[in-house]
Amino acid sequence: AQSVSQHNHHVILSEAASLELGCNYSYGGTVNLFWYVQYPGQHLQLLLKYFSGDPLVKGIKGFEAEFIKSKFSFNLRKPSVQWSDTAEYFCAPSNQAGTALIFGKGTTLSVSS
Amino acid sequence: DTGVSQDPRHKITKRGQNVTFRCDPISEHNRLYWYRQTLGQGPEFLTYFQNEAQLEKSRLLSDRFSAERPKGSFSTLEIQRTEQGDSAMYLCASSSSRGGGTGELFFGEGSRLTVL
Repeated sequence: AQSVSQHNHHVILSEAASLELGCNYSYGGTVNLFWYVQYPGQHLQLLLKYFSGDPLVKGIKGFEAEFIKSKFSFNLRKPSVQWSDTAEYFCAPSNQAGTALIFGKGTTLSVSS
Repeated sequence: DTGVSQDPRHKITKRGQNVTFRCDPISEHNRLYWYRQTLGQGPEFLTYFQNEAQLEKSRLLSDRFSAERPKGSFSTLEIQRTEQGDSAMYLCASSSSRGGGTGELFFGEGSRLTVL
């Protein structure tokens, strides 16, 4: 069965702290991997994506994620968070066609200034 | 704004009433998706269309839910005989299958349903 697990429900950090959000997935076949972000009062938007090639992918606003195939993981990182990174973050694997995207429960990140 | 638009943004209804939500996708996108999101959960897939064809529907979806995309452009999601458990945010997203599709979905701001 397809599933995705996000390790942290709520993360609280001070500005300039480093961030790592864990994501593990179970998905048959070739998988595309995404992180989506939802800022307060805004719609879901793409943060970054992995299809193939270099397992370290970079997204918007200084975020990056590393695909580790052997661990079925796609963890999100940022070296130094800002107050504006306060948002909800969703890990989402999909099939190659992009028609079967499933979401984790999300991690709420609160950054204090 | 050329993004995905949804209407209404918020609907309050009494149990047993029917409600309909509309989604207008990005114009060049041929795929359209409906998701449902409840508090503390990630979006849950409901159904998706490629052009006007409904290609997949969640097995968890009650028969009270129906979606259409008659001309391959906008879509409607109707919930009949609403129940309090239907209270949620209903999200619409669109994408393009051109170039094989990449899986990147573009989301609207959602329609929040409150069933009293």
